[in-house]
Amino acid sequence: GAGVSQSPSNKVTEKGKDVELRCDPISGHTALYWYRQSLGQGLEFLIYFQGNSAPDKSGLPSDRFSAERTGGSVSTLTIQRTQQEDSAVYLCASGVAGSGELFFGEGSRLTVL
Amino acid sequence: KQEVTQIPAALSVPEGENLVLNCSFTDSAIYNLQWFRQDPGKGLTSLLLIQSSQREQTSGRLNASLDKSSGRSTLYIAASQPGDSATYLCAVKDDYKLSFGAGTTVTVRA
Repeated sequence: GAGVSQSPSNKVTEKGKDVELRCDPISGHTALYWYRQSLGQGLEFLIYFQGNSAPDKSGLPSDRFSAERTGGSVSTLTIQRTQQEDSAVYLCASGVAGSGELFFGEGSRLTVL
Repeated sequence: KQEVTQIPAALSVPEGENLVLNCSFTDSAIYNLQWFRQDPGKGLTSLLLIQSSQREQTSGRLNASLDKSSGRSTLYIAASQPGDSATYLCAVKDDYKLSFGAGTTVTVRA
């Protein structure tokens, strides 16, 4: 596609449910990132993929968070047993490895009731 | 750990005035620096990318400078318009990770 595509754009869930957020990067981009932006907060790094590998997953807040990437393309961020503090906008970015520009999607807004 | 600071946190100017947004970072070993714009409820739009070997980049009314040795970048927006109202984020890339400042929220008054 022309840009980074994320779905769903909005998700409301109940505490304790699992959610999956999807990111479809720009074609040919080998690097993929997930960031989180909580209300009034800055962008928090979650995980970095190069191809299908995740050499840095140090930003995942707890073991309830996991992510995978298949075929060097689509990535899914899964949050198990959601908590209210997981409410945030989850942003995905893709780019060419090295000194290339990063492009962000519109984000998935997660609200945990 | 890379720390990125943006000053001021907020800025309000009358239409037509030039904008100056500042970004500083603690570790000068960067690959590049990228300026983004974020509108409320939206994702990030890339404005300018400056490679570590470059001193500045220009696009239309936007100009960004980079002084890697002193850990500073400045984004200039000439002749501001109400449509420039947004939050502007500075991000530095070291190796693979992008570290962000907290942003400067700009309001341009008509």
